[in-house]
Amino acid sequence: DAGVIQSPRHEVTEMGQEVTLRCKPISGHDYLFWYRQTMMRGLELLIYFNNNVPIDDSGMPEDRFSAKMPNASFSTLKIQPSEPRDSAVYFCASSPGRLSGGYTFGSGTRLTVV
Amino acid sequence: AQKITQTQPGMFVQEKEAVTLDCTYDTSDQSYGLFWYKQPSSGEMIFLIYQGSYDEQNATEGRYSLNFQKARKSANLVISASQLGDSAMYFCAMREGRSTGFQKLVFGTGTRLLVSP
Repeated sequence: DAGVIQSPRHEVTEMGQEVTLRCKPISGHDYLFWYRQTMMRGLELLIYFNNNVPIDDSGMPEDRFSAKMPNASFSTLKIQPSEPRDSAVYFCASSPGRLSGGYTFGSGTRLTVV
Repeated sequence: AQKITQTQPGMFVQEKEAVTLDCTYDTSDQSYGLFWYKQPSSGEMIFLIYQGSYDEQNATEGRYSLNFQKARKSANLVISASQLGDSAMYFCAMREGRSTGFQKLVFGTGTRLLVSP
């Protein structure tokens, strides 16, 4: 298995632009998670899906953020409009759902909003 | 309240020595899972080791072992025979919440380990 695949690896955009981050989870994993990592706040869970359905989006910072999972093999995290404070590393992870199952993380997308 | 506490922002160890990274957790659940992840400078998150709350034996994975003290709510990571490649950020995490199906993984703030020759 190729693992969790995220794209792009790096994104630099201007303030006000729309940004779309993409994720392909591991086949067979029922859960997909989006995390954000910053120096100030560490690793924060933004949202997670179970069988393509959003279960908990309480970590999404504001309405500018949205996430979708149209099918079992693809998810997007969109920021519109982007702001400099959105600059962070965004990780996607997937999990088979067992308590003993750790998450498998993608390589992350480093987003810089200038 | 912090769910996962890692009190050591940074740790230094010499190559071939053992090092212990501290982690305490807070939960009212009886069933939960504890994890350690490694994040090298390249940025990826690498799963190292898992301990279930009902596991009687401490988990081991190669040079990694988890010193699980349930009554003290601690889950320290022990790395034996440190190598230069162990230099990285280490995160303790907990999966809890029967009401949420144990799906949320909550992370500590991390400990940066530097292994010197």
